[in-house]
Amino acid sequence: GENVEQHPSTLSVQEGDSAVIKCTYSDSASNYFPWYKQELGKGPQLIIDIRSNVGEKKDQRIAVTLNKTAKHFSLHITETQPEDSAVYFCAAVKTSYDKVIFGPGTSLSVIP
Amino acid sequence: NAGVTQTPKFRVLKTGQSMTLLCAQDMNHEYMYWYRQDPGMGLRLIHYSVGEGTTAKGEVPDGYNVSRLKKQNFLLGLESAAPSQTSVYFCASSYSRLTYNEQFFGPGTRLTVL
Repeated sequence: GENVEQHPSTLSVQEGDSAVIKCTYSDSASNYFPWYKQELGKGPQLIIDIRSNVGEKKDQRIAVTLNKTAKHFSLHITETQPEDSAVYFCAAVKTSYDKVIFGPGTSLSVIP
Repeated sequence: NAGVTQTPKFRVLKTGQSMTLLCAQDMNHEYMYWYRQDPGMGLRLIHYSVGEGTTAKGEVPDGYNVSRLKKQNFLLGLESAAPSQTSVYFCASSYSRLTYNEQFFGPGTRLTVL
């Protein structure tokens, strides 16, 4: 069936360093890839997304890259800050469906 | 705007009891979703709705029922709760198809089944 793998499951970085989270999807028909940030006790919130016709997208300190041939995509956070500490989920969506397949999540800790 | 709200925030049930979780959104969104979140498994789709009066099964629908009688509300029912349904439940909504619109999540309902 469809699935999304995500690595690492936990990540600790020093404040100011970069963090990278990688995801791999199984369904080659997936064409939309959102990333969500979930803070403790809250619901996930969309932070950035990328569509299959784009290879890279940036928004201030965060960026996402997509390699459709290899079926993997990555989230890059630069100059990390303590408020970046959260659980991050990648996801894959197909245009023909209205369902999101989420990865298992990465718990990011930014150490001051 | 309140966005997406969920009622209740916490609930403890005994095996075999029933309950209904309420999700409400004030953004006039067509699409609504129910997910469950378990440790190490991310979010899994239970049921979803693409408009008032419509529902469809997601990835893990067994043991749950849903109704979308009003556009702004999406109800998730557990007819006979089981310990395996202990989880955090999230409701979400989007204006239309996910590939074109952001999905907004509620704060979650933590359910424990003893």
